[in-house]
Amino acid sequence: DAGITQSPRHKVTETGTPVTLRCHQTENHRYMYWYRQDPGHGLRLIHYSYGVKDTDKGEVSDGYSVSRSKTEDFLLTLESATSSQTSVYFCAISGSETDTQYFGPGTRLTVL
Amino acid sequence: AQTVTQSQPEMSVQEAETVTLSCTYDTSESDYYLFWYKQPPSRQMILVIRQEAYKQQNATENRFSVNFQKAAKSFSLKISDSQLGDAAMYFCAYKQTNAGKSTFGDGTTLTVKP
Repeated sequence: DAGITQSPRHKVTETGTPVTLRCHQTENHRYMYWYRQDPGHGLRLIHYSYGVKDTDKGEVSDGYSVSRSKTEDFLLTLESATSSQTSVYFCAISGSETDTQYFGPGTRLTVL
Repeated sequence: AQTVTQSQPEMSVQEAETVTLSCTYDTSESDYYLFWYKQPPSRQMILVIRQEAYKQQNATENRFSVNFQKAAKSFSLKISDSQLGDAAMYFCAYKQTNAGKSTFGDGTTLTVKP
């Protein structure tokens, strides 16, 4: 299994509070991704990174920001959480543009 | 933008039988990759099989095989000799060669009946 961990695994927070999710990899892969999974929508890309300090938006980036200061860590921040951001969040990594994506175990976030 | 469509929200199969999950995609690119992922109740996303668009031969992995029809933009997954452990949600995904990101379908929930 690819060495990907996500923290926290579960979080309950209140509307308006900031939240940061962390993805950590031990594979030294160049690409890292954040997806959200909601019923009926499959996985939708929020942001991704193609190197340290290199990031780009996905299809559902509004309300989210990311940072990648070192190869192994990719942070997803909700500056002011809303109930619509209640979801399961997955991190993924891949070694190159053509490589398979491998997924972390997911984080279940509930915004009350 | 690329789109991936899984037209079967739910499928069921009898244990030991064969089932085929459908996936179609839309792209103007000629070079890309296609994947099937399995998500059991544990929620972990597991790679099932991968197909390179430039390869005419269909990919196989033990009981899992694909029927890749490039002209029709179709990429179906066949599971032979279905087992109870195959019960999961299955996602089809498309990845363009010169871009790092993937597009996923909405998934098909597979039930395996004993």
